[in-house]
Amino acid sequence: GQNIDQPTEMTATEGAIVQINCTYQTSGFNGLFWYQQHAGEAPTFLSYNVLDGLEEKGRFSSFLSRSKGYSYLLLKELQMKDSASYLCAAKDSNYQLIWGAGTKLIIKP
Amino acid sequence: ETGVTQTPRHLVMGMTNKKSLKCEQHLGHNAMYWYKQSAKKPLELMFVYSLEERVENNSVPSRFSPECPNSSHLFLHLHTLQPEDSALYLCASSQDQGSGSYEQYFGPGTRLTVT
Repeated sequence: GQNIDQPTEMTATEGAIVQINCTYQTSGFNGLFWYQQHAGEAPTFLSYNVLDGLEEKGRFSSFLSRSKGYSYLLLKELQMKDSASYLCAAKDSNYQLIWGAGTKLIIKP
Repeated sequence: ETGVTQTPRHLVMGMTNKKSLKCEQHLGHNAMYWYKQSAKKPLELMFVYSLEERVENNSVPSRFSPECPNSSHLFLHLHTLQPEDSALYLCASSQDQGSGSYEQYFGPGTRLTVT
């Protein structure tokens, strides 16, 4: 079957760095997405990786290893507004997104 | 209006009612999606439309009935729902359904409570 695993909850301190891991098993692979979802709001797109390596976008970076079925989202210089759920999703051979349950990130002052 | 809009934002309905959820995208996209989001569970894809044709129906009960009259509008018709159908229903759109890199843009969702 197809599956995405990510931690349920993480806590970090304002100004610090946090890494949210995601492992995936899909039938075929057409890229990996990270979304951010604040409580009560819609998910918003953060990043897309289809080739191995690191993609950097300001304070956020995303990494992909296709051979390991593994990705992470790295958030630097954490701010209180980064408190949200982070959703990992992999696109399978039918171009359907397979979603993880999300990682709730709590930022403490 | 910009992006993806959904109405109503909140809906409480009895098990015998019939109601409809509406989604509209202002992005010129060709694909639209309905998702169900329950607490602490992954997003569940319900229906996919590409160029107004349904391309995916992931074993969704017949009490949920989608309608896509044009590429900008998507409806989800609800009838004789069960309490376990209470959830956040999200609509999304993307430029294309079949390409790998196109991200999905989500609406704010309809919070549905079935009593």
